[in-house]
Amino acid sequence: AQSVTQLGSHVSVSEGALVLLRCNYSSSVPPYLFWYVQYPNQGLQLLLKYTTGATLVKGINGFEAEFKKSETSFHLTKPSAHMSDAAEYFCAVSEVGYDMRFGAGTRLTVKP
Amino acid sequence: DSGVTQTPKHLITATGQRVTLRCSPRSGDLSVYWYQQSLDQGLQFLIQYYNGEERAKGNILERFSAQQFPDLHSELNLSSLELGDSALYFCASSVVGELRSGELFFGEGSRLTVL
Repeated sequence: AQSVTQLGSHVSVSEGALVLLRCNYSSSVPPYLFWYVQYPNQGLQLLLKYTTGATLVKGINGFEAEFKKSETSFHLTKPSAHMSDAAEYFCAVSEVGYDMRFGAGTRLTVKP
Repeated sequence: DSGVTQTPKHLITATGQRVTLRCSPRSGDLSVYWYQQSLDQGLQFLIQYYNGEERAKGNILERFSAQQFPDLHSELNLSSLELGDSALYFCASSVVGELRSGELFFGEGSRLTVL
């Protein structure tokens, strides 16, 4: 069955530093992979997604992620953190047509 | 604003009671998904409807039920409530029933507190 594991429930970086949020997936078929962000008191919104084709995908707000099949990973990065990036980030996988499974989430804190 | 509307935003009730959460999907979206978010379980998929028909079931308890109406709005009914049902319930919608090719648009959630 499809699943995702997000390494690190909390990540703290300084403003301007690299953001790296880790996600590993398990899937029996080529997966579709997603990163969502949740700001306080809001629903989740899509940052980026990988379906097929180019393995490096770019999303909103300067985030990008790279699909690495050999490592079953889909880590999220941003070269320079901004205070407004503080939020909870969810990795998700969709294997079969009707379902999307989310990781436990990683809370990103950005220090001034 | 995702275009997905959920009501009520907050709900406090007692154990043993029954509540109904309502969701209006984005205009044109045929699929509605319900998720439960709690501190200990994370974001759990409950159930999906596509154009009025149940399409997929996740970790939904037998005390919970849902339906999607002809106007495509959906309701999640939670009965015989327990303390452990306290959570944030999200509705999400998508254009297609085949989720792999689309993305989910989430509402702001309904926070249920069971006392």
